[in-house]
Amino acid sequence: GENVEQHPSTLSVQEGDSAVIKCTYSDSASNYFPWYKQELGKRPQLIIDIRSNVGEKKDQRIAVTLNKTAKHFSLHITETQPEDSAVYFCAASKENQGAQKLVFGQGTRLTINP
Amino acid sequence: EAGVAQSPRYKIIEKRQSVAFWCNPISGHATLYWYQQILGQGPKLLIQFQNNGVVDDSQLPKDRFSAERLKGVDSTLKIQPAKLEDSAVYLCASSPRRGSGYGYTFGSGTRLTVV
Repeated sequence: GENVEQHPSTLSVQEGDSAVIKCTYSDSASNYFPWYKQELGKRPQLIIDIRSNVGEKKDQRIAVTLNKTAKHFSLHITETQPEDSAVYFCAASKENQGAQKLVFGQGTRLTINP
Repeated sequence: EAGVAQSPRYKIIEKRQSVAFWCNPISGHATLYWYQQILGQGPKLLIQFQNNGVVDDSQLPKDRFSAERLKGVDSTLKIQPAKLEDSAVYLCASSPRRGSGYGYTFGSGTRLTVV
């Protein structure tokens, strides 16, 4: 089955700097790659996603890149702010019997230092 | 639109006791998932329903866990008997349609502590 590896497990950056989180996946049939942000004690929330027919997607300060050949994708946050502090999860998905099944990475705890 | 509803929010039980969690997905969402999130880890899929049928329960510990989704709407997840290692947040999620490429919406989860 699919296996998703996420690095680093913790990341600390100065406010205003950029943060990059990387994930690799094992199943070349995976075709959908969302990123979730989870604040302490709250539910994971979708922040950005990318499909396998696209190499890059941006949404304001957040961008995701996908390299299908290497089977890795990354989350980029620019001009970081204190409210970006949270745990971020990547996931990979493919269709399974007519429905999708997300497999999550282990998470990255991002801390933005003021 | 209303989100994914889960109850209870918190539950503390002793080992060997039983417990049940309830989930009401977003209206019209055909696919419902139960995930287990152990502290410091990513969510792990326990079971996936498409309408009221099971699509994937390969990682569900069937000797103690069971789940059902009667009428293709609400779902319950049960643990009987509970073990200490079942302490985790149990997240329910739903997605709107068949196929891949659609993000989940998660509920707030039930935090289970087994003592």
